[in-house]
Amino acid sequence: AQSVTQLGSHVSVSEGALVLLRCNYSSSVPPYLFWYVQYPNQGLQLLLKYTSAATLVKGINGFEAEFKKSETSFHLTKPSAHMSDAAEYFCAVRPGATGFQKLVFGTGTRLLVSP
Amino acid sequence: DTGVSQDPRHKITKRGQNVTFRCDPISEHNRLYWYRQTLGQGPEFLTYFQNEAQLEKSRLLSDRFSAERPKGSFSTLEIQRTEQGDSAMYLCASSLGPPSRQGGTYGYTFGSGTRLTVV
Repeated sequence: AQSVTQLGSHVSVSEGALVLLRCNYSSSVPPYLFWYVQYPNQGLQLLLKYTSAATLVKGINGFEAEFKKSETSFHLTKPSAHMSDAAEYFCAVRPGATGFQKLVFGTGTRLLVSP
Repeated sequence: DTGVSQDPRHKITKRGQNVTFRCDPISEHNRLYWYRQTLGQGPEFLTYFQNEAQLEKSRLLSDRFSAERPKGSFSTLEIQRTEQGDSAMYLCASSLGPPSRQGGTYGYTFGSGTRLTVV
């Protein structure tokens, strides 16, 4: 079975500061891992995904994440926060290339960006 | 194609009424998923279709819930005898199989959701 833990329901940063959103996963098989962003009253938009290729994954809007198997982590980072980054971020896991495609989501981290 | 479309965007209904939501996936996507998201939580899986076949249902999907995907195109999710606990955002997503392409270029595409409020 797969599960995801997102540490911190809220993260506050100043504009221009480093963004770090934490995600740890549990999976009985090699996982695929995803980060999604959700703006108020919107659906989820894919930021980036890890699918067993490069462990450092670059996504949209300057975000990137590194898959660390030894730490079972897939933390999301951005060097410099922008006001438009304020949103809810979800980490998700599913089985790798074989198996059912159900995504299991974490409970989300709300990113607050102050001027 | 403009992505995954969901209708309506918002629905307010009285307890005990039936409601139906529609999802139009990306046209070439053969897989369709329904998720439910309650306030402050991540989306939770409800059910999954490959073409017209409903292949998996979550235990969250009680007998009052039914989903269909006739002809493998659009899908409907019906909730009968709604309860206040059904209030949530209902999200639809689609993706393209077969397994060799899972998680590759395509992944999941989510719609904007239908927000249900049961009063």
